Amino acid sequence: DSGVTQTPKHLITATGQRVTLRCSPRSGDLSVYWYQQSLDQGLQFLIQYYNGEERAKGNILERFSAQQFPDLHSELNLSSLELGDSALYFCASSVGSSGGAEEQFFGPGTRLTVL
Amino acid sequence: AQKITQTQPGMFVQEKEAVTLDCTYDTSDQSYGLFWYKQPSSGEMIFLIYQGSYDEQNATEGRYSLNFQKARKSANLVISASQLGDSAMYFCAMREGENSSASKIIFGSGTRLSIRP
Repeated sequence: DSGVTQTPKHLITATGQRVTLRCSPRSGDLSVYWYQQSLDQGLQFLIQYYNGEERAKGNILERFSAQQFPDLHSELNLSSLELGDSALYFCASSVGSSGGAEEQFFGPGTRLTVL
Repeated sequence: AQKITQTQPGMFVQEKEAVTLDCTYDTSDQSYGLFWYKQPSSGEMIFLIYQGSYDEQNATEGRYSLNFQKARKSANLVISASQLGDSAMYFCAMREGENSSASKIIFGSGTRLSIRP
């Protein structure tokens, strides 16, 4: 158990809908990362938050948005869902201090199925 | 542009043998970090080992070692004395910059390792 929790574990929804994925980082970790893992695109970095602020952006679609709250939990919002958004969405957290090895601890993931 | 290449989609290795998983990277940054993760069939991502671009010694963690050749931009993972439980997908990843408070990370396409008894 990495200490990172993600809810829900599974989500089935229809095209055009909007969903919210939730992540609680390990205690003490300030950085939260979101990833999408799909069969055709592999593991893609979406976005990083550090202590409530967006710090790095990857291949995140405009239909997707995220935020990190004062209690450091994070939410990833996916809207106008398409079939191709079906994937495993991981959240990871790290201490976020500058310099040195920065291991990311991954949550168990949320499997999103868009029908 | 930064890029991670894993050229071995799949590998079969006999139990107790050593195995090397290849990873090459491309970046224009002088400061970066390299990671290896393991993803078993259960789906979770497990951190294995980290190498910083300024680390002079190759990283080691138990049976895992990272063969870091900076000039060749390669960061191969070596697993010694492989075990059946090592069967999994292995991902090489790179983070540009040493300041991990602002880090974009990219992953390779992965290598599926299967250990034969």
